[in-house]
Amino acid sequence: QLVLTQSPSASASLGASVKLTCTLSSGHSTYAIAWHQQQPEKGPRYLMKVKSDGSHIKGDGIPDRFSGSSSGAERYLTISSLQSEDEADYYCQTWGTGIRVFGGGTKVTVL
Amino acid sequence: EVQLVESGGGLVQPGGSLTLSCAASAFAFSNYEMNWVRQAPGKGLEWVAFITISGKTIYYVDSVKGRFTISRDNAKNSLYLQMDSLRVEDTAVYYCARQRWDEPIDYWGQGTLVTVSS
Repeated sequence: QLVLTQSPSASASLGASVKLTCTLSSGHSTYAIAWHQQQPEKGPRYLMKVKSDGSHIKGDGIPDRFSGSSSGAERYLTISSLQSEDEADYYCQTWGTGIRVFGGGTKVTVL
Repeated sequence: EVQLVESGGGLVQPGGSLTLSCAASAFAFSNYEMNWVRQAPGKGLEWVAFITISGKTIYYVDSVKGRFTISRDNAKNSLYLQMDSLRVEDTAVYYCARQRWDEPIDYWGQGTLVTVSS
C-alpha cells in the first residue's frame, strides 16, 4: 500500500534552516514525490518535485531558499533563511496507477 | 496567470446532492489531467478523484466510489464533480488541481466549501 509519512510539526528560528522529511512506504522507495505549501487560510501551492536520485524541479516563482533532496525512501524539503511567511503546513504527495496520495502534513512554526 | 476557480459549494442535507464546477483559464486545459482534492476542517489534504484529458480514464478514492462522478468539458475549459448521497463526513473545502500525466499536481484552485449538515 502506497503511504507517505510526515512528522506532524517542526520549528526553527527566523533566519535559520529547517529540513522536513517525507517517508515512502515499503516497496515504493523509487517513487518521486511533490512538496506543497499551504499558508493559513489559503489554498495549497506547489513547491517542487523531488525524484529518487535527489534531483528536484521547482514550480514557478519558488524562491531559491527552498530545495529538495532524497535518501533511500526518504524525500526532504529544506527551507533556508526562514522567513515569517514560511510558517505554514507542508504536504508531500505521490502518485501511482489509480491513486494519488498525500502525507499527513508537517506544520512549520517560525520562532 | 494560470487560474482555477471553483464554485458550487454550499450547505446541503445528508443524502442530498451538489455539483461543483472548476473554471480554468490562462493555460491549455485540454492538455492537462485534472483532480479534485478535499480538506475537512482542521485536517489534511485528501485526494478524491482524477480524470484524464480525454475523460476515458477516471479514478476515485474508495470512500466516494459510487457516489461522486468527475467529468470535464474541454470546450468550456471546465471540470465538474457531481456529488450524490452526501454524508456528514464529506464536509470539506474542495479544490480542483491540474497535473500532467505521470507528474505531480502543479496548480491548485482556491477551493469551495461544502457543508453537509441537517
